Amino acid sequence: QITLKESGPTLVKPTQTLTLTCTFSGLSLSTSAVGVGWIRQPPGKALEWLALIYWNDDERYMPSLKERLTITKDTSKNQVVLTMANMDPVDTATYYCVYKRGNAWYFEDWGQGTLVTVSS
Amino acid sequence: EIVMTQSPATLSVSLGERATLSCRASQSISSNLAWYQQKPGQTPRLLIYGASTRATGIPARFSGSGSGTDFTLTISSLQSEDFAIYYCQQYNHWPPPITFGQGTRLEIK
Repeated sequence: QITLKESGPTLVKPTQTLTLTCTFSGLSLSTSAVGVGWIRQPPGKALEWLALIYWNDDERYMPSLKERLTITKDTSKNQVVLTMANMDPVDTATYYCVYKRGNAWYFEDWGQGTLVTVSS
Repeated sequence: EIVMTQSPATLSVSLGERATLSCRASQSISSNLAWYQQKPGQTPRLLIYGASTRATGIPARFSGSGSGTDFTLTISSLQSEDFAIYYCQQYNHWPPPITFGQGTRLEIK
């Protein structure tokens, strides 16, 4: 059984850097083509893909946010970490960790999500 | 960037009736389209991938069709648990690798 769980602060101040951790089990980040990524959803709004890291450390980012995002993995800890710099109130959202099982970019496995509010 | 447009924004349908949701891509995405269902306070659930293949455990009343730019999600006989927001997602074009539609809210008539 694959599980993913997000952790991190629920409240950050504008201009601060957000650090979110996805801790997973039941999957291997050593298998070709797989990856773990992040999708966010502002309250009452649609989903937005942010970033993904492949099994081989290759990284992919949403182009419009690329300068603010960094994704890393620690295979020994079964964790993927997302940092987002220079947070703004518009970044208030639920942040989901997702698992890309194969070559195609759809997601059958999601974490429960964590709501991050950006406010002074 | 591929823009995904879903219609209608809200769809009101009676229990037991058929619901048809549409998703249009701003350029061809072949069959690289997925559909998700999201209930209030819950995580999105994958329903369909490859435009027409049901994900694991998804009831047969859910079906997907289309290719190129126009896609449809059909729910053949609505159950109470089907009332939710539905999102389409393309995964054909880079950059970025995926984009979502704005969602269709399916409500009870």
